[in-house]
Amino acid sequence: AQSVAQPEDQVNVAEGNPLTVKCTYSVSGNPYLFWYVQYPNRGLQFLLKYITGDNLVKGSYGFEAEFNKSQTSFHLKKPSALVSDSALYFCAVRPRPSGNTPLVFGKGTRLSVIA
Amino acid sequence: DAGVIQSPRHEVTEMGQEVTLRCKPISGHNSLFWYRQTMMRGLELLIYFNNNVPIDDSGMPEDRFSAKMPNASFSTLKIQPSEPRDSAVYFCATQSLEQHLHFGNGTRLTVT
Repeated sequence: AQSVAQPEDQVNVAEGNPLTVKCTYSVSGNPYLFWYVQYPNRGLQFLLKYITGDNLVKGSYGFEAEFNKSQTSFHLKKPSALVSDSALYFCAVRPRPSGNTPLVFGKGTRLSVIA
Repeated sequence: DAGVIQSPRHEVTEMGQEVTLRCKPISGHNSLFWYRQTMMRGLELLIYFNNNVPIDDSGMPEDRFSAKMPNASFSTLKIQPSEPRDSAVYFCATQSLEQHLHFGNGTRLTVT
């Protein structure tokens, strides 16, 4: 069965420091991988995705993520955190061939950026 | 593009009442998903549709829950009768050809 693990419930980082939010997955073959962000009282918003090609994916708001096949990981990173990055972050996976099968989401990691 | 539109944004009702949540998907998106989010259980997939046809409703918690998609521009999630444990935020999401989901801003349901 496909699964996504986000091992940290909470990540705290000082403003201006680099941030990493971890994600590992378990799925057969090469999956599609996604990161979403959720701000208070809002739906999840798409940040970035890995489909194929370069293992380093760049997305919205300066975020990037690196697909590591050997470690089955897709950690989210940003070189310099902003207070406005504080939110709930979800990693998600869809196996391929995927059709329109649903994403499998991790349980989320709450990022708190402290000024 | 107005995105996925959900209504109402907030619903407060008494136990035993019927609740209907509504979703207007993004035009041209052929898959629609209903999720529920709670602190305890996180994000749960309830049901999804492809081309207006229900594909998998195994996430629907009980027979009290039902969902319909009568056409490509409208879907409903109904709870009858509602119970306090149904209190949650319910999200509708639709999928583009680029394979990522677009979420509405959710309906916060409180059942007293």
